[in-house]
Amino acid sequence: AQSVAQPEDQVNVAEGNPLTVKCTYSVSGNPYLFWYVQYPNRGLQFLLKYITGDNLVKGSYGFEAEFNKSQTSFHLKKPSALVSDSALYFCAVRDMGGQGGKLIFGQGTELSVKP
Amino acid sequence: SQTIHQWPATLVQPVGSPLSLECTVEGTSNPNLYWYRQAAGRGLQLLFYSVGIGQISSEVPQNLSASRPQDRQFILSSKKLLLSDSGFYLCAWSAYPRDSEAFFGQGTRLTVV
Repeated sequence: AQSVAQPEDQVNVAEGNPLTVKCTYSVSGNPYLFWYVQYPNRGLQFLLKYITGDNLVKGSYGFEAEFNKSQTSFHLKKPSALVSDSALYFCAVRDMGGQGGKLIFGQGTELSVKP
Repeated sequence: SQTIHQWPATLVQPVGSPLSLECTVEGTSNPNLYWYRQAAGRGLQLLFYSVGIGQISSEVPQNLSASRPQDRQFILSSKKLLLSDSGFYLCAWSAYPRDSEAFFGQGTRLTVV
């Protein structure tokens, strides 16, 4: 079965410092991986995805993610964090079996960026 | 461009009352549609998904049901709400190719009292 894990419930970063939000995956075959951000009482916003090709994927708002097949990881990164980046971040993997192509989400990581 | 609408934004309902949450998508055809529930502001649980009109797949047994009466309309229902049905409900859609991302509505905060 496909799954993703986000090992950190919370990540604290000072504004201007680089940030990393971790995600590991477990799939059979090649993974389709996604990152989303959620602000309080809002829906999820798509940030970026990895399907194939370059291991470094660039997305919205200056975020990027690095796909590492040997470590089965897909960590979200940003070179310089902003206070406005504070939010809940979700990693997801596409379920390739059956119909529907549902997304399976990790438990989320709360990112807090302090001034 | 495609948009997804979900309403209402908030809802307070008594135990035992019925529920109907509606989601519509504009600007695309034959989308895959999904209902997720988020409890305690954290993990997302997939409740239902649909690949076409009248085609509903349930992920977990529960007090809820879903219907897709039109191509771009997805409805979440209950005949009698339970306290445990409280949560944040999110509708989403994606295009058919498996490499397509999903797009989410703004969510409905349901409180059962």
